[in-house]
Amino acid sequence: QTVVTQEPSLTVSPGGTVTLTCASSTGAVTSGYYPNWFQQKPGQAPRALIYSTNNKHSWTPARFSGSLLGGKAALTLSGVQPEDEAEYYCLLYYGGAQVFGGGTKLTVL
Amino acid sequence: EVQLLESGGGLVQPGGSLRLSCAASGFTFSSYAMTWVRQTPGKGLEWVSGISGSGGSTYYADSVKGRFTISRDNSKNTLYLQMNSLRAEDTAVYYCAKAHRSSFDGSSPHYWGQGTLVTVSS
Repeated sequence: QTVVTQEPSLTVSPGGTVTLTCASSTGAVTSGYYPNWFQQKPGQAPRALIYSTNNKHSWTPARFSGSLLGGKAALTLSGVQPEDEAEYYCLLYYGGAQVFGGGTKLTVL
Repeated sequence: EVQLLESGGGLVQPGGSLRLSCAASGFTFSSYAMTWVRQTPGKGLEWVSGISGSGGSTYYADSVKGRFTISRDNSKNTLYLQMNSLRAEDTAVYYCAKAHRSSFDGSSPHYWGQGTLVTVSS
């Protein structure tokens, strides 16, 4: 069974920078896993932020960026805003199936 | 404007069946793969199933394989999820999502509906 692992929780100060990571139990995450990142706030549906490692949607704020870092997919928030407090999920593609990570609860404090 | 509206959720007994629908508008439905994702209340997201734009290719998570069937009617701009042999652990909010390409391979759920709640309980 494939497991995708994210940090359960992270805390960042307003204006700071934070990096969330996404690891695969099968080994290093590459662009072939087409990493996606989603943001979800309480009571809302998830919102897509990043697709195919580092591509932004038209609505994705410039302070969000995606990359590959040390064998993991990564989501970096630079200049964090209070409204960025949310749950963040990554999604990896495994040749005919997709698997979400367990999510990272980001607190802005 | 892309709109996805799920329906068909509700309370069903263990072992029962339910069919979810997702009515799509604001885009050329047949040109995009679609996905079902579920979320147990208070828990994380779980990818459930995906289908190509033509409907010719379908994909399932191991947890639902053999019990759930994804399909689409491109003439009606509607996505379906037929759920049989339901279990308590299938209780969740079910979201439909539009991908960014016709092929499911490497696709990404870009737009999401608001979800419909399925509760499996006696």
